[in-house]
Amino acid sequence: DGGITQSPKYLFRKEGQNVTLSCEQNLNHDAMYWYRQDPGQGLRLIYYSQIVNDFQKGDIAEGYSVSREKKESFPLTVTSAQKNPTAFYLCATSGFGNQPQHFGDGTRLSIL
Amino acid sequence: ELKVEQNPLFLSMQEGKNYTIYCNYSTTSDRLYWYRQDPGKSLESLFVLLSNGAVKQEGRLMASLDTKARLSTLHITAAVHDLSATYFCAVQFMYSGGGADGLTFGKGTHLIIQP
Repeated sequence: DGGITQSPKYLFRKEGQNVTLSCEQNLNHDAMYWYRQDPGQGLRLIYYSQIVNDFQKGDIAEGYSVSREKKESFPLTVTSAQKNPTAFYLCATSGFGNQPQHFGDGTRLSIL
Repeated sequence: ELKVEQNPLFLSMQEGKNYTIYCNYSTTSDRLYWYRQDPGKSLESLFVLLSNGAVKQEGRLMASLDTKARLSTLHITAAVHDLSATYFCAVQFMYSGGGADGLTFGKGTHLIIQP
């Protein structure tokens, strides 16, 4: 099936630890995005990538890092510099043209 | 800075009633989206609105866009319980080469439809 796979579904981070969230897609979409959602809030853009080996900071990039080595994959690392990482993280993709962004099922990150 | 404001943020309504959710945005945008989110779930795309005067309908939901007023509306007709969810509007800028910026979201409208 075509789609976006985010893993893990739930993740726990210890103090001072970096964790990486996975986002894989087989939609052949060029653009990939990471968003963060806090309870009762809208989504905020962390990073996005239009093509392989290129990415841009979104509105809340501090404390996060990404890579885009393959078209299919756009992993997000939540570093120890991110002091309030507890949130629901959503990965999205979009193809060329007038199509909406498609979202994965998300990863819930909590602090131990 | 692009800002997107939705109102109301919370809405409780009875089945069979009509209501409208409003989405205002602060600067010119190329396209506007409406998404639905069920509790604990991801986002589901409802509508993409690309031009001034655009109107799209799906079942009991109808979305419209007025780019001059920087306003989009999501109208619910004869609401049913299954439409209970959180609804988000989001705006996006497009580059001349066809690429797109990320989405800027409103805070969402939490809709509860009671029998």
